[in-house]
Order: sequence, then structure tokens, then C-alpha cells
Amino acid sequence: QKEVEQDPGPLSVPEGAIVSLNCTYSNSAFQYFMWYRQYSRKGPELLMYTYSSGNKEDGRFTAQVDKSSKYISLFIRDSQPSDSATYLCAMSARNTNAGKSTFGDGTTLTVKP
Amino acid sequence: GAGVSQSPRYKVAKRGQDVALRCDPISGHVSLFWYQQALGQGPEFLTYFQNEAQLDKSGLPSDRFFAERPEGSVSTLKIQRTQQEDSAVYLCASSLVVQGPFLGNTIYFGEGSWLTVV
Repeated sequence: QKEVEQDPGPLSVPEGAIVSLNCTYSNSAFQYFMWYRQYSRKGPELLMYTYSSGNKEDGRFTAQVDKSSKYISLFIRDSQPSDSATYLCAMSARNTNAGKSTFGDGTTLTVKP
Repeated sequence: GAGVSQSPRYKVAKRGQDVALRCDPISGHVSLFWYQQALGQGPEFLTYFQNEAQLDKSGLPSDRFFAERPEGSVSTLKIQRTQQEDSAVYLCASSLVVQGPFLGNTIYFGEGSWLTVV
């Protein structure tokens, strides 16, 4: 079983919908949680990161971490066609090099106009 | 440069052939990472450089994989005697500072080198 499991999708929603993307993990040492967006044939780009439990908001994006349940989510409000991409969650432990994060396998999102 | 540059973007290699993949990090970036991303999966860490020093190569899958960064800027990932299971996207990433525990210092990825072994 992988340390990080991500809903595989694909996910297709109409423009303007609220999108929920989720990951679960098994390693209780993970304390840093990241969300990356990867467009087709491009490299991942960091969207948001959070430390430990709680919520973090950035524009239309909200990242949520529940360490007690080992569950993280990314919410996208008012989704746009330009949000169509693969979303990767990633996690690292406190004393781990951030570049050595453990990634989920990604959820592919399509937002239809 | 403006971003992390990787070449070639696409490479088809015959099984048994050696390949070399190049990464030009963002100018001045100290840290450089290589990842392997198989189709439908997330990136998996291969190796990490701090300037010219290879500090972590724990993710390299076999001794056929070798990486170097001799002058602390451009890096090359070499795969010897390629096999079909090596088919993947090889991503390079760099960051400005030394990466310890996550400090919010962004890691910038290149677009990847797509390797197909036939």
C-alpha cells in the first residue's frame, strides 16, 4: 500500500462548480502538505502548502488538513476551464528535505465551459 | 534563465542504448532535484544536489542510473543500457536555497524529458 493515496478521478465538472480533491496518508510523521497543479506535458507547479492541521485559503483555493484522520483536501471554488489539469498532493516529514516529498498519483480534473 | 530547462524534451531509445538527459536550473539556484514520473503516477524522487555535491541518491533505481552536476549548475542524468521499465518522464527541479525541512521555498520544475524505450 502506498504512503499517499489520492482519488484517481478523472473528475469532470461544469464551470462554476466547487471541486473537492482529496488525499489520505499513512505516515504520521508527515507534517508539511503541498498541492501541485500539473498541466498536460508540463512540470508540476506549487499551488499551496500547509503545515500541520488547519485550513489555508488563497483566492479560489482552500487547503485543508486533518491530521487526526490523516486526510487532506483541496477545494476549488468557482472552477474555471483554466483549472483543468492534474492535481498532485505531496507530503514531507519535519526533518525531510522538501524536495524528497512523497507524491500522490494525481487527480485529473476537467472543467467544462 | 527564466525557468528550468530540460533537453531533450522527447527521446526514443532502443533497449540497451545509453541516454543522457540535461537540466539547466534557474540561474543561482543551489538545490537541484531529479524525479521519475511514470504514466499516471506522481513524481518519485531520484537524487538531490546541493551545488555540485550529490547529497542524496537514495531514489536511483539501479546502478544503471547516474547523475552529475560538476560545476554546480547544469546537471545530467545518465541511464545506461536502457530497459523498457525506464520509460517515463524525467523531471528536474531547482530551488534557490538549501532545502531542509519545508520552509515554503518553492521548488520549480522543468517540463520534463519524455523517455520511451522500445
